[in-house]
Amino acid sequence: KAGVTQTPRYLIKTRGQQVTLSCSPISGHRSVSWYQQTPGQGLQFLFEYFSETQRNKGNFPGRFSGRQFSNSRSEMNVSTLELGDSALYLCASSLAGTVEQYFGPGTRLTVT
Amino acid sequence: AQSVTQPDIHITVSEGASLELRCNYSYGATPYLFWYVQSPGQGLQLLLKYFSGDTLVQGIKGFEAEFKRSQSSFNLRKPSVHWSDAAEYFCAVGPRDDKIIFGKGTRLHILP
Repeated sequence: KAGVTQTPRYLIKTRGQQVTLSCSPISGHRSVSWYQQTPGQGLQFLFEYFSETQRNKGNFPGRFSGRQFSNSRSEMNVSTLELGDSALYLCASSLAGTVEQYFGPGTRLTVT
Repeated sequence: AQSVTQPDIHITVSEGASLELRCNYSYGATPYLFWYVQSPGQGLQLLLKYFSGDTLVQGIKGFEAEFKRSQSSFNLRKPSVHWSDAAEYFCAVGPRDDKIIFGKGTRLHILP
């Protein structure tokens, strides 16, 4: 069974631009969570989607948004990029009713 | 508030030596506890998990962890480390409102 895939793997953007990251969960997994990982803050929870509905949200500004499609694929969008948004963005999927999360390799976003 | 503390930011051990990585948590009920490992440039891989029952849990790659309620700890151990174990290790607790909270991580260095 294929694992969680994230595209693109690397991205360089300029301040003020916006970016969209994509995540395809493991087949059959309907829950998708997003995390931001930085050296200073560690892993921080962004949001979780289940069956196309946002179920939980972390403490991030409204510039960070996401959505989930009917096939469980998820996207996250960051608008008006800031230098501090440079991070590894990780997506994780899980089966309904379970708490074990399976992570993708991440998208490394660099904002210049 | 729910939290996870990994007191050691870096740990260095010699190849073949035993390993113990510390994790302390704060949680209002019996927690779900996890250890993940992250190799450079990769996502997180689940090593082991504790939900209930036997407090000594076995994981992949020869790792084990012991849940000690009285000490609010969930330390990760391995009897003999290999050079390939060099990575960053994350302890996590949850879910509360379906969010998993991660510790800041411990980076493991292996001396040849």
